[in-house]
Amino acid sequence: DIQMTQSPSAMSASVGDRVTITCRASQDIKNFLVWFQQKPGKVPRRLIYASSSLQSGVPSRFSGSGSGTEFTLTISNLQPDDFATYYCLQHDSYPHTFGQGTKLEI
Amino acid sequence: QVQLQESGPGLVKPAETLSLTCTVSGGSIRSYYWTWIRQPPGKGLEWIGFIYDSGNTNYNPSLRNRVTMSVDTSDNELSLNLRSVTAADTAVYYCARADQPSYSYYYMDVWGEGTTVTVSS
Repeated sequence: DIQMTQSPSAMSASVGDRVTITCRASQDIKNFLVWFQQKPGKVPRRLIYASSSLQSGVPSRFSGSGSGTEFTLTISNLQPDDFATYYCLQHDSYPHTFGQGTKLEI
Repeated sequence: QVQLQESGPGLVKPAETLSLTCTVSGGSIRSYYWTWIRQPPGKGLEWIGFIYDSGNTNYNPSLRNRVTMSVDTSDNELSLNLRSVTAADTAVYYCARADQPSYSYYYMDVWGEGTTVTVSS
């Protein structure tokens, strides 16, 4: 199985900050990488697909980059609504695997 | 647009079979791939597997011997069966739209609201 390792596991930031979350794959996954946001008790929401494509309706302060084994999710100008847990997922090889999550706190 | 709704018993006894349904509305079930995901309480997300048109499936090896997915095209429903459940199978179960291999556009873009399943006697 491909292991997806997110860092950090948790972080704190302030409104207006720029934050970066990293996801590393244990082998090359090309650009088959998705980022999700999940708030407590809510359904995960897709933010980014194909590593860097912004999901329709997602604010442009979210951006993704990377290919191969290293990927980043960047949130510019953090807003109160952005405090949540973020997951990456690879769908290059079966079984598809999620990262362990990054909890972004105020 | 496509919408998904999971349903099933909220409580299952150990060693029994967990059976869930995901009703697809707003689109044909034959037009897309579909996937199931679960999330134990307080933990991360786990991919269970995908299905396309019943004959094409791929399951997580961690569950392979216990899981079966199917598609009912007449009712536009997906089904998930998980046999011989234990407390470790307690989770919120989600269905989501997926995409064909090597494609990303639809991959997990639409999710159901999830259904909570507790395994307990």
